Amino acid sequence: DVKVTQSSRYLVKRTGEKVFLECVQDMDHENMFWYRQDPGLGLRLIYFSYDVKMKEKGDIPEGYSVSREKKERFSLILESASTNQTSMYLCASRDRRNEQFFGPGTRLTVL
Amino acid sequence: AQSVSQHNHHVILSEAASLELGCNYSYGGTVNLFWYVQYPGQHLQLLLKYFSGDPLVKGIKGFEAEFIKSKFSFNLRKPSVQWSDTAEYFCAVKADRGSTLGRLYFGRGTQLTVWP
Repeated sequence: DVKVTQSSRYLVKRTGEKVFLECVQDMDHENMFWYRQDPGLGLRLIYFSYDVKMKEKGDIPEGYSVSREKKERFSLILESASTNQTSMYLCASRDRRNEQFFGPGTRLTVL
Repeated sequence: AQSVSQHNHHVILSEAASLELGCNYSYGGTVNLFWYVQYPGQHLQLLLKYFSGDPLVKGIKGFEAEFIKSKFSFNLRKPSVQWSDTAEYFCAVKADRGSTLGRLYFGRGTQLTVWP
């Protein structure tokens, strides 16, 4: 089974802090994705990566950056957390048949 | 960019009722279609998918979906729901053009509540 893990299930940070969300997949997938999930808005794509050190902006990249130094790991960075970034963050990786596999999510609260 | 519409934000049913959740997308070419489900407190998981062939696809837990190309639709159905089907359901589309590197476009989700 494909496994996508995220470093934290719950995280509480203060406004202005730098926040790192980590995601690791174990199936050698090239493509990885970061989404945020908010009630009534579904999943919105923040960033994705199609290979090591490669990244592309999604639909809502403002206030976020990403890092992909190794194939299995894709990190989402909030340079200066703000309250409007309180959300559920989902990481996913994609196989060659276009199926995406999701991690359990990190619920981030910014105070 | 693609758009995916899920018509119902919240559906409430009694056990044994039949379910149909609507999903429409905007792209007219070749598509891959997915339904994902998120049970309370759990991660998103694939319910079923359509790539090609028979437009009626069957997924896990008795769910099925029908791809109707002329209507740009991929509606999810289940003949008799159970309390354990209470979850949020997301439709997603990948188009062969205008869809960068395998990204999916998701609908806003439908929350299904089933009363025992």
